[in-house]
Amino acid sequence: RKEVEQDPGPFNVPEGATVAFNCTYSNSASQSFFWYRQDCRKEPKLLMSVYSSGNEDGRFTAQLNRASQYISLLIRDSKLSDSATYLCVVNSGYALNFGKGTSLLVTP
Amino acid sequence: SQTIHQWPATLVQPVGSPLSLECTVEGTSNPNLYWYRQAAGRGLQLLFYSVGIGQISSEVPQNLSASRPQDRQFILSSKKLLLSDSGFYLCAWSRRQGGWVFFGSGTQLSVL
Repeated sequence: RKEVEQDPGPFNVPEGATVAFNCTYSNSASQSFFWYRQDCRKEPKLLMSVYSSGNEDGRFTAQLNRASQYISLLIRDSKLSDSATYLCVVNSGYALNFGKGTSLLVTP
Repeated sequence: SQTIHQWPATLVQPVGSPLSLECTVEGTSNPNLYWYRQAAGRGLQLLFYSVGIGQISSEVPQNLSASRPQDRQFILSSKKLLLSDSGFYLCAWSRRQGGWVFFGSGTQLSVL
């Protein structure tokens, strides 16, 4: 079983739509969780950390369910500039394990 | 502020040739350093990580090696490249083990 699993998509949504990405992880001892964004042929960049209480940053909301080992990212009012690949990331103590990413395409 | 430099941006090498990719971090001391590889259509794979000068841990068996000759310098090497070494190589640093990482701009390596 892979350590971090994500639906690869692609998710094609119109501008203004709300879209949700899900992720599951296998290591119950993981303590840190993140979402990264990666544009084509570019390096991944930190989007936001994920906390058990849930956290929001503008149009982005992240949730963590430790009991189910499940992480989510909600994007509201999608913009064209949100088109990218979103990587679910879980720590393994000394480094981060990255999911393969979910591709999002926001269309006019 | 901290910055990470990685070069070259693209590299085309013949099979069997050597490889040396360099990464340097500025604006911080004693960072944790990482090399990741992203093959086409695949996720990021951790290759090596280092918690200090001369301390290298390898995640997967391969014909690549890494070295950390200075606190903020991380080098990825190979004596003889294979076709399967093609991919997008990313250097990264973090303040602590398991914390969020910051990536360099990456090197797209094509082995022909």
